[in-house]
Amino acid sequence: GNSVTQMEGPVTLSEEAFLTINCTYTATGYPSLFWYVQYPGEGLQLLLKATKADDKGSNKGFEATYRKETTSFHLEKGSVQVSDSAVYFCALRSENFNKFYFGSGTKLNVKP
Amino acid sequence: NAGVTQTPKFQVLKTGQSMTLQCAQDMNHNSMYWYRQDPGMGLRLIYYSASEGTTDKGEVPNGYNVSRLNKREFSLRLESAAPSQTSVYFCASSEYGGTGLPDTQYFGPGTRLTVL
Repeated sequence: GNSVTQMEGPVTLSEEAFLTINCTYTATGYPSLFWYVQYPGEGLQLLLKATKADDKGSNKGFEATYRKETTSFHLEKGSVQVSDSAVYFCALRSENFNKFYFGSGTKLNVKP
Repeated sequence: NAGVTQTPKFQVLKTGQSMTLQCAQDMNHNSMYWYRQDPGMGLRLIYYSASEGTTDKGEVPNGYNVSRLNKREFSLRLESAAPSQTSVYFCASSEYGGTGLPDTQYFGPGTRLTVL
């Protein structure tokens, strides 16, 4: 079946530190991969996406590369800000179906 | 442009009561979804609708029903609420990408439901 596994949180970093949030997936074929961010009290919003192997998604300084060989889509940012504090979800959409599968979310706390 | 709207924002029910959660989108999307969010479990799909007139079960459909009233609206009904249905409920809609399948999802602000 399809599933997404994310590193457990919370992750606590100081401002300007390097961020990595690990995400691995199980799926048949070539799913599309997404990172969503959820700020307190709000719904999820798309952060970045990649639709085929070796694609790199990027937005607001965040990046993730679709690695088929390791079935991974790790989220990185070179220098986090306090405003990046949120919950981050990795997700996939299976290759031929209309369904999306989400990881359990990783809470990021950035301290000034 | 309102995007995806949900009503109500908060609701408290007693066990056995029924209610309907409303969702509407103004982006002319074909696909719509209902998820529940529980601590440590991420989002789990309850039901989805690939297009107007169709609905399909997701991972956790038991205890719920849905109606795709028209292209804009997709409602979720709890016929007899149980404490296990205490959760935050999100509606989402999705545009189609270059692959001909749903791509980016747009989420509503959520409904926080407590069943006593």
